[in-house]
Amino acid sequence: DADVTQTPRNRITKTGKRIMLECSQTKGHDRMYWYRQDPGLGLRLIYYSFDVKDINKGEISDGYSVSRQAQAKFSLSLESAIPNQTALYFCATSDRQILYFGPGTRLTVT
Amino acid sequence: AQTVTQSQPEMSVQEAETVTLSCTYDTSESDYYLFWYKQPPSRQMILVIRQEAYKQQNATENRFSVNFQKAAKSFSLKISDSQLGDAAMYFCAYSWYGGATNKLIFGTGTLLAVQP
Repeated sequence: DADVTQTPRNRITKTGKRIMLECSQTKGHDRMYWYRQDPGLGLRLIYYSFDVKDINKGEISDGYSVSRQAQAKFSLSLESAIPNQTALYFCATSDRQILYFGPGTRLTVT
Repeated sequence: AQTVTQSQPEMSVQEAETVTLSCTYDTSESDYYLFWYKQPPSRQMILVIRQEAYKQQNATENRFSVNFQKAAKSFSLKISDSQLGDAAMYFCAYSWYGGATNKLIFGTGTLLAVQP
């Protein structure tokens, strides 16, 4: 079984809809991250969390919110989706400077 | 601010040949980590190789090796004996050793094609 899982793997939604992307990990790491990947821009950090009570904004947090429900679960929400949030979203955990990524969620906002 | 630059959006190599992917970075820190991640068409992000800045010896993992030039802030990836399975997007990334977050800063990627 994968150590970092994401659901859904693919999602198409309409402008203005609320959507939640979920991430679970079995690696036992305290630190979790949400990144967004866009062609030509690489991966950019949306939010990160040191533990259940510690959540921090990344470089592109506007339009997103997160929830750390447990050490193993970190969810990303788009309160009102817009087309420029169409992207590939990655959840990751880290240990000693190495990031371990989930399989990604392809989100399309029409 | 720390930045990572990959100036080669696309590269191509013949199977069994050697290719080098370039990466430069900018930082005022002295202790940091550098990484190469591979993203095949499956889109999974896979760690290829890691280099600690305090180590002078270049990291090597099987057919993958790096040329780390700290003074020049350069971190290139060499792939020897290229295989069809090496075709992927490759991302260079930086992490500050003293940073509390383990955040990685990524370059924009190099798409590597392997020709049979």
